[in-house]
Amino acid sequence: GEDVEQSLFLSVREGDSSVINCTYTDSSSTYLYWYKQEPGAGLQLLTYIFSNMDMKQDQRLTVLLNKKDKHLSLRIADTQTGDSAIYFCAEISASGTYKYIFGTGTRLKVLA
Amino acid sequence: KAGVTQTPRYLIKTRGQQVTLSCSPISGHRSVSWYQQTPGQGLQFLFEYFSETQRNKGNFPGRFSGRQFSNSRSEMNVSTLELGDSALYLCASSLGLGNTGELFFGEGSRLTVL
Repeated sequence: GEDVEQSLFLSVREGDSSVINCTYTDSSSTYLYWYKQEPGAGLQLLTYIFSNMDMKQDQRLTVLLNKKDKHLSLRIADTQTGDSAIYFCAEISASGTYKYIFGTGTRLKVLA
Repeated sequence: KAGVTQTPRYLIKTRGQQVTLSCSPISGHRSVSWYQQTPGQGLQFLFEYFSETQRNKGNFPGRFSGRQFSNSRSEMNVSTLELGDSALYLCASSLGLGNTGELFFGEGSRLTVL
């Protein structure tokens, strides 16, 4: 079946690193994504990774992909209060054309 | 360029009524998809349209329907509203050509059903 799971909440102190985890089920997904949703707004793409990559780094963001375990993680270095938001991981399901499957979202709270 | 525009931003309806939500995608984007966001369920996929054709449909009852016009603008309709339909409805547009697949989201239409 199609299911993307995330923990619901994460709280970190400003300056620490945050790690948000995600497990997915469709091993044939081509791309995996991280989106960010700030209060009162839609989602914005943060970063994505090809399924044939293990890691992608983009400034303070590091994405790790473990295809064997179907596990995706997003690490935010030096977390700031402006990083407080809901983070969604997503995959494109290979079972249909262009159908995104989103996780439930992880609400990150950064404490000053 | 202008982003994805959703109207109305907020609306209140009563049970049994119907509602129509509108989405104008980014110029040049031919794919429009709709999602329902609720606190407990996260983001649930409703349907996706590409060049006026529904390409994908999520697991929602037939009360939820949509369409896309020749200018790529899309509408979704919910008939016979239920209390559980209260949610933020998000529209997203993309080129729809299967490249990196980035979705561009609107700010959503928040529906409250009383």
